[in-house]
Amino acid sequence: GENVEQHPSTLSVQEGDSAVIKCTYSDSASNYFPWYKQELGKRPQLIIDIRSNVGEKKDQRIAVTLNKTAKHFSLHITETQPEDSAVYFCAASPLNNDMRFGAGTRLTVKP
Amino acid sequence: NAGVTQTPKFQVLKTGQSMTLQCAQDMNHEYMSWYRQDPGMGLRLIHYSVGAGITDQGEVPNGYNVSRSTTEDFPLRLLSAAPSQTSVYFCASRIAGGANTGELFFGEGSRLTVL
Repeated sequence: GENVEQHPSTLSVQEGDSAVIKCTYSDSASNYFPWYKQELGKRPQLIIDIRSNVGEKKDQRIAVTLNKTAKHFSLHITETQPEDSAVYFCAASPLNNDMRFGAGTRLTVKP
Repeated sequence: NAGVTQTPKFQVLKTGQSMTLQCAQDMNHEYMSWYRQDPGMGLRLIHYSVGAGITDQGEVPNGYNVSRSTTEDFPLRLLSAAPSQTSVYFCASRIAGGANTGELFFGEGSRLTVL
């Protein structure tokens, strides 16, 4: 099955700085790559996703890039704010199959 | 539209007891799954189903059973609880197949403690 690795496990930035989280995956059949944000005690919620026919996608301060050849994808958050502090998970899956998650990155944005 | 509903939210069991975590969704999603979340280990897939009558194992299926008799419901059964099954459990669903397949919708989670 798919194996997703995520780095770093913890990330601390100053408010206004950028944050980058990177993931690699193993299964070349995977073609859907979402990112989830989980606040303390809450359920994971989708913040952005990308499909394999697209190299980059942006939504305001959040962007995701995908390199299918190298099997890695990254989350970029610009102009970070304290409310961006949370645990972020990457995931990978073939569209019609199960979804596997990375181990998570705890992002702390210091005011 | 309630989305994905899990019950109970909290449960304490003794070693060897059995229980069922309930999951229901009202979005007519074909795909349903169960994950467990442990500190530092992310979300690990236990079992999943792509439709009524079809189930399959994920990464960590041992000690858990599932069934899918209807599109709406996907219960997770712990046959003989062990302390290693202390975790937060999430049920999730999504559309299976087609151009709209993608986002996984999660329930609120069930926190299980096995003493």
